[in-house]
Amino acid sequence: KAGVTQTPRYLIKTRGQQVTLSCSPISGHRSVSWYQQTPGQGLQFLFEYFSETQRNKGNFPGRFSGRQFSNSRSEMNVSTLELGDSALYLCASSLESRGGGYTFGSGTRLTVV
Amino acid sequence: QQQVKQSPQSLIVQKGGISIINCAYENTAFDYFPWYQQFPGKGPALLIAIRPDVSEKKEGRFTISFNKSAKQFSLHIMDSQPGDSATYFCAASKTSGTYKYIFGTGTRLKVLA
Repeated sequence: KAGVTQTPRYLIKTRGQQVTLSCSPISGHRSVSWYQQTPGQGLQFLFEYFSETQRNKGNFPGRFSGRQFSNSRSEMNVSTLELGDSALYLCASSLESRGGGYTFGSGTRLTVV
Repeated sequence: QQQVKQSPQSLIVQKGGISIINCAYENTAFDYFPWYQQFPGKGPALLIAIRPDVSEKKEGRFTISFNKSAKQFSLHIMDSQPGDSATYFCAASKTSGTYKYIFGTGTRLKVLA
């Protein structure tokens, strides 16, 4: 069974640009969540999607957005990139939207220069 | 009230020893407590999880001890092996209402051969 697939694995962008990251969950998983991981702030919740609807959103500015498609694949977008957006962005999927353990992808390493 | 405090920040254990990592939470509404293991360049992987209706759960060499009254839980790794060297994160979540993980800050474990 294929795991959670995130693309691309690495990205280098310039301040002010925008970026789109992609996540394909495990087949059959309808819940997809996104987390930002940095050395200083650790793992921070961005948002969760279930059946194409955003159910929860973390405390990130509006520059961070996401969506989920009918096949459960998800994308997140960051506009007007700042140096502080440099991080590992992790996507996680779960079979149930409540109470189940997440399966994380390997992440997309975003570097903003 | 949303914090999960994890200690120690780093841990060095001899091969065959016991590794113990502790977490404390504040929100009594949390009812799902997973532990994740992360290797460099990889996303976190679910190790073991517990719900507050049990005080201990064991899976192989990994045991979670849960103290509901103290709002603390811990991970014990018995017979620690060099391959266990990784960063460990505890987390807490509610399985109703807003569903997201609140992660601890992580413990970097090094097991000496």
